[in-house]
Amino acid sequence: EVQVVESGGGLVQPGGSLRLSCAASGFTFSNYGMSWVRQAPGKGLEWVSVISNGGGGTYYADSVKGRFTISRDNSKNMLYLQMNSLRVDDTAVYYCAKDLRVNSGYHNFDYWGQGTLVTVSS
Amino acid sequence: DIQMTQSPSTLSASVGDRVTITCRATQSVSKWLAWYQQKPGKAPILLIYQASTLQTGVPSRFSGSGSGTEFTLTISSLQPDDFATYYCQQYDTYPITFGQGSRLDIK
Repeated sequence: EVQVVESGGGLVQPGGSLRLSCAASGFTFSNYGMSWVRQAPGKGLEWVSVISNGGGGTYYADSVKGRFTISRDNSKNMLYLQMNSLRVDDTAVYYCAKDLRVNSGYHNFDYWGQGTLVTVSS
Repeated sequence: DIQMTQSPSTLSASVGDRVTITCRATQSVSKWLAWYQQKPGKAPILLIYQASTLQTGVPSRFSGSGSGTEFTLTISSLQPDDFATYYCQQYDTYPITFGQGSRLDIK
């Protein structure tokens, strides 16, 4: 059974840092691109970042570029999101999401985690 | 960036109704368009990808059509489980972008 499970969310002050993790199982992790998608309270979905299956390609939303870094460890089936210089408007549930297709440059998502809440507040 | 605009933002319908949600892109995304369903407190579920391909396990009452800049999601006969929020997503060009969502309520 495919599973992706996020962790690492919590309360952080503006300007602070947080590292999210996503543990994947039930599929060959190294074959799939992975993304982070977030959802502010009561709002819609916002794509944050994607990393290619091998880790060599990364892309970011303009809203997080230069502050967030996506990475992966294929030996551990883990996806990460390092979030620095956090702002109040980064408050959201952060989802880890798996690409539908193997080794694809086209990113739509067939499995999502349950999400982890990041709250940025003083 | 490609902006995705869904209409309507909210709609009310009854069990058994046929409903259509439209998604428009500010530039062509070819066929690289997906639809998701989300219920409160839950992760989104992939319904349709490549504009018209039904994801495995999704009921056949869901269908998608369109290409370029205009797309539709149709539910042929609403079931009680279908009342949710629906999002379109383009994955033709970075940054990947979602529509603002269309909430489907019970009339």
